[in-house]
Amino acid sequence: EDQVTQSPEALRLQEGESSSLNCSYTVSGLRGLFWYRQDPGKGPEFLFTLYSAGEEKEKERLKATLTKKESFLHITAPKPEDSATYLCAVQEDDYKLSFGAGTTVTVRA
Amino acid sequence: EAQVTQNPRYLITVTGKKLTVTCSQNMNHEYMSWYRQDPGLGLRQIYYSMNVEVTDKGDVPEGYKVSRKEKRNFPLILESPSPNQTSLYFCASSLFGQGKNEQYFGPGTRLTVT
Repeated sequence: EDQVTQSPEALRLQEGESSSLNCSYTVSGLRGLFWYRQDPGKGPEFLFTLYSAGEEKEKERLKATLTKKESFLHITAPKPEDSATYLCAVQEDDYKLSFGAGTTVTVRA
Repeated sequence: EAQVTQNPRYLITVTGKKLTVTCSQNMNHEYMSWYRQDPGLGLRQIYYSMNVEVTDKGDVPEGYKVSRKEKRNFPLILESPSPNQTSLYFCASSLFGQGKNEQYFGPGTRLTVT
């Protein structure tokens, strides 16, 4: 049973068209929820860590939020350079880390 | 420069020939981890280590071994590789503790087992 589910699998946006990515999780003891960005052929790059429901973090055009069952990554007025695969991961009390399959975002100029 | 390095970056080998992929970090991180990434399956954790001589299984440990004799190094060992271990492998490291757990990833090792 998947512990971390991301949706949609792929997202095609026009430049400037804001949207949200979803990450739902079913772990019992959440130590932290992480968002990463991955460009083709490269290792994931850290974006945010969220620790408790209600927490929000922002970085440029990205904003991450967390509830008890899911997290959202909001992309505001995206640019073509925001095109990437965005990965969500949850860390449980035993420090094991589980990743979702990712959402591939393509932003057209 | 703070970084995680992996070697080799690309490897083609044959079934059953033992191999080791090295991972090293220069950030004095306690936590290190290995992942494999396959299309449609995302990143899956193989093994992780919270400090020297402390290792634990992730979600897909079968067919792999690790050791953590030094804080900076965390090699991944495939004693008898099989074709289903063909994948893209990433090593990662982080500090350990509340508020410090963001992981830094290496560039990846693309392994092909024929």
